[in-house]
Amino acid sequence: NAGVTQTPKFQVLKTGQSMTLQCAQDMNHEYMSWYRQDPGMGLRLIHYSVGAGITDQGEVPNGYNVSRSTTEDFPLRLLSAAPSQTSVYFCASSYGRDAVGYTFGSGTRLTVV
Amino acid sequence: KNQVEQSPQSLIILEGKNCTLQCNYTVSPFSNLRWYKQDTGRGPVSLTIMTFSENTKSNGRYTATLDADTKQSSLHITASQLSDSASYICVVSLYTGRRALTFGSGTRLQVQP
Repeated sequence: NAGVTQTPKFQVLKTGQSMTLQCAQDMNHEYMSWYRQDPGMGLRLIHYSVGAGITDQGEVPNGYNVSRSTTEDFPLRLLSAAPSQTSVYFCASSYGRDAVGYTFGSGTRLTVV
Repeated sequence: KNQVEQSPQSLIILEGKNCTLQCNYTVSPFSNLRWYKQDTGRGPVSLTIMTFSENTKSNGRYTATLDADTKQSSLHITASQLSDSASYICVVSLYTGRRALTFGSGTRLQVQP
């Protein structure tokens, strides 16, 4: 049982480049979300989805896009990377927004130069 | 503003000793409080989850307590092991609202031999 799989684990981008962070889960979870973790700060919610075809913004959505075409996948897109987006990104999933079974991926460390 | 404050920011203890980590929150309305363990380079992993009606919850050598009246929680680690070295994150869930989880910035624990 893989749980939540994130790729890539590490990425370096130049300012202005675009890329997609991948997230997949095999637990049939309805709820998926993306967080960023910066030094000295708690995880902050970027975008979330309550099911296929449904997405919504979190606390810090600017500069990021998401889509949810299937239950399993929830990619995060950076359209034009900026140094302020240097961070560690975590994808998480659960049966519901407030469920006990909240599972995190292992993270993607992104550096924008 | 909903906040979660953790103390201390960092802590060093000797193997075999006990320690207690603190979490104060102002999140309202409150649904539940969770403690996560995050190893370096990994995603957070759930240790305990408590609703407002629960005072204590244990998971092996980890015991979490909750005082919903004073909005305080603690995580007690008994007979620490080297593998306990990690960041411990307190997360409080709103009863409703799209920003469902508010994360503390964590306590970094280092257990030395």
